[in-house]
Amino acid sequence: KAGVTQTPRYLIKTRGQQVTLSCSPISGHRSVSWYQQTPGQGLQFLFEYFSETQRNKGNFPGRFSGRQFSNSRSEMNVSTLELGDSALYLCASSLESGSSYNEQFFGPGTRLTVL
Amino acid sequence: AQSVAQPEDQVNVAEGNPLTVKCTYSVSGNPYLFWYVQYPNRGLQFLLKYITGDNLVKGSYGFEAEFNKSQTSFHLKKPSALVSDSALYFCAVRDYPGYNKLIFGAGTRLAVHP
Repeated sequence: KAGVTQTPRYLIKTRGQQVTLSCSPISGHRSVSWYQQTPGQGLQFLFEYFSETQRNKGNFPGRFSGRQFSNSRSEMNVSTLELGDSALYLCASSLESGSSYNEQFFGPGTRLTVL
Repeated sequence: AQSVAQPEDQVNVAEGNPLTVKCTYSVSGNPYLFWYVQYPNRGLQFLLKYITGDNLVKGSYGFEAEFNKSQTSFHLKKPSALVSDSALYFCAVRDYPGYNKLIFGAGTRLAVHP
């Protein structure tokens, strides 16, 4: 089975621009979560989508948004980029089996640099 | 609120020696605990999880972790370290009631020396 894929892998933007990152989960996984990783703040949860609905949200400003499509693929968008948005953005998917709690599998991440 | 702490920024160990990476947790309710590893320029790889059951959990690549409820710890162990185990290790706890929201520790860098 193919793992979680994220595109693009690297992105350079300037302040004030917006950016869209894409994530394709493992086949059959319906939950997709997004995390931001920075040297200063570590790994922080952004949001989770399940069956096209945002199920959970972290403490990030409204400039960060996401969505999930019917095929479980997900995108996240950051508008009006700030220098502090430079980070590795990780997507994770998990199987909702209902019988037990399943771990999340992470993609390789998108490295966003804001100049 | 759920939280995890990794008290060591870096752990150094000689190849062939046993290794331990420490993690303590604070939760309300039953803890769902995880260990992940991150290699340079890569995402996180799942190593193991504790949901319920045996306190000794076996995972990938020869790693295991011991859940200790009285000490609220979930330390990662390996009997014999390899140079290739050198990486960044994260302990995480499921937020409650957070569905798939994980709260991560700050990470511990493991350096295995030949």
